[in-house]
Amino acid sequence: GAVVSQHPSRVICKSGTSVKIECRSLDFQATTMFWYRQFPKQSLMLMATSNEGSKATYEQGVEKDKFLINHASLTLSTLTVTSAHPEDSSFYICSARPDRVGNTIYFGEGSWLTVV
Amino acid sequence: GEDVEQSLFLSVREGDSSVINCTYTDSSSTYLYWYKQEPGAGLQLLTYIFSNMDMKQDQRLTVLLNKKDKHLSLRIADTQTGDSAIYFCAESMDTGRRALTFGSGTRLQVQP
Repeated sequence: GAVVSQHPSRVICKSGTSVKIECRSLDFQATTMFWYRQFPKQSLMLMATSNEGSKATYEQGVEKDKFLINHASLTLSTLTVTSAHPEDSSFYICSARPDRVGNTIYFGEGSWLTVV
Repeated sequence: GEDVEQSLFLSVREGDSSVINCTYTDSSSTYLYWYKQEPGAGLQLLTYIFSNMDMKQDQRLTVLLNKKDKHLSLRIADTQTGDSAIYFCAESMDTGRRALTFGSGTRLQVQP
């Protein structure tokens, strides 16, 4: 079945550094991918919609200069947390909807970011 | 805007049925989903239902949709300890590339 892979699954970084998280659709093409953030014991909050070949669409309150999104190909979107701070520590999950006809949205395994 | 609500916690005994409820406000919702999240893991799609359906059954899972009341439920038959997890309902429209709107999640605890 369709698989969305995220990497890394866990990362610890120092304050002030940048971290890149990759989201790949392994067996389908996805013009659109989505990035969510989940705080402990809370629901998933949409951060941005990643569009292949164009700029990402950010949700209100999400800093586009801090959370850089690049959708370089139909199977890869990256989220870069720039100048990370401890409050950026969270669980980040991507999802993708195949371009082919279908109703299923697939999620990656998620990436735990800890900023120390 | 859209709003999806769930009860936060449900505890059942192993072998019993579990019913997790969800309400949503967007009457234009076309697809409604149920996802399972185990501790520290990503989301696993369990099932989804199209808004013109009332019920969908898949092995131990039964989804009921009351579109008039905007109420969705997930029934897990013969609940097992491995079913302990957080269950999220989510809705989306079929137009364009809309993201999902998630409920707060229901933590299901299955007692042996």
